[in-house]
Amino acid sequence: ETGVTQTPRHLVMGMTNKKSLKCEQHLGHNAMYWYKQSAKKPLELMFVYNFKEQTENNSVPSRFSPECPNSSHLFLHLHTLQPEDSALYLCASSQALGDTDTQYFGPGTRLTVL
Amino acid sequence: AQSVTQLDSQVPVFEEAPVELRCNYSSSVSVYLFWYVQYPNQGLQLLLKYLSGSTLVKGINGFEAEFNKSQTSFHLRKPSVHISDTAEYFCAVSYSGGGADGLTFGKGTHLIIQP
Repeated sequence: ETGVTQTPRHLVMGMTNKKSLKCEQHLGHNAMYWYKQSAKKPLELMFVYNFKEQTENNSVPSRFSPECPNSSHLFLHLHTLQPEDSALYLCASSQALGDTDTQYFGPGTRLTVL
Repeated sequence: AQSVTQLDSQVPVFEEAPVELRCNYSSSVSVYLFWYVQYPNQGLQLLLKYLSGSTLVKGINGFEAEFNKSQTSFHLRKPSVHISDTAEYFCAVSYSGGGADGLTFGKGTHLIIQP
C-alpha cells in the first residue's frame, strides 16, 4: 500500500450504532488530519494530530471521537450520529505541521447515517 | 479568519479549449496557496502550490496558476483541456504562523469537459 488509505470506503449506520473509521499513512509523516466534506460546502477541518498529540479540535461534537495510537494510524470513532453527519470523511497527512507542508489525502469514507 | 472564494461552482468547457478557474482569498498576512483536484470517488490530489518566488506556478497535468497579491487572487489555468480533466477543483490557503490551523478551502469548482 502506498500513500494514505482509508477503510471502509462506504459505511451506512443507524443513529444508535457505534462504528470507527480508519486511516493509515505509508509516507512517514508526522501530522494527520480529519476533514468532513459535505455537498456544496468547503472542507471542514475536524481534528489535527502532530506526533500522536491532538493539536486542534474545531468545535467538533463529542459524538466524534478521534484516536491516534501512532504517527501512521488515525481513527475516528462514531456514536449516536445524526443524519446531518452524513458526508465524505477525508483523512490527510503531512510531513510536519508547517504552513507550507503539503497535505496528502486518502480516498475518503462515504458515511450515510439513517 | 481566513476565507477562500471560488465564485464559479461549475464551469463547462469544450474539449481542447482553454479554461480558467477563479480563486480569491482574504488575508492581511503572508499566505501560501494551493490547488487540489478531486476526481470522482477519490481523495484530493495536489495540483500545484505557491509558497514564494515566481508568481507563476506550474503544476501537474499541464495546469498553472498565477499569484496576484494586489488582487488577492490565485487563478488556475490550462491552455487546452481534456476529457480526463473533468473533476472538482479546490483552492486552499494557509498562512504564515497558522500551523495547526491547517488549510482553509474554497467550496470547489466542478469542471465539466464537453466533447
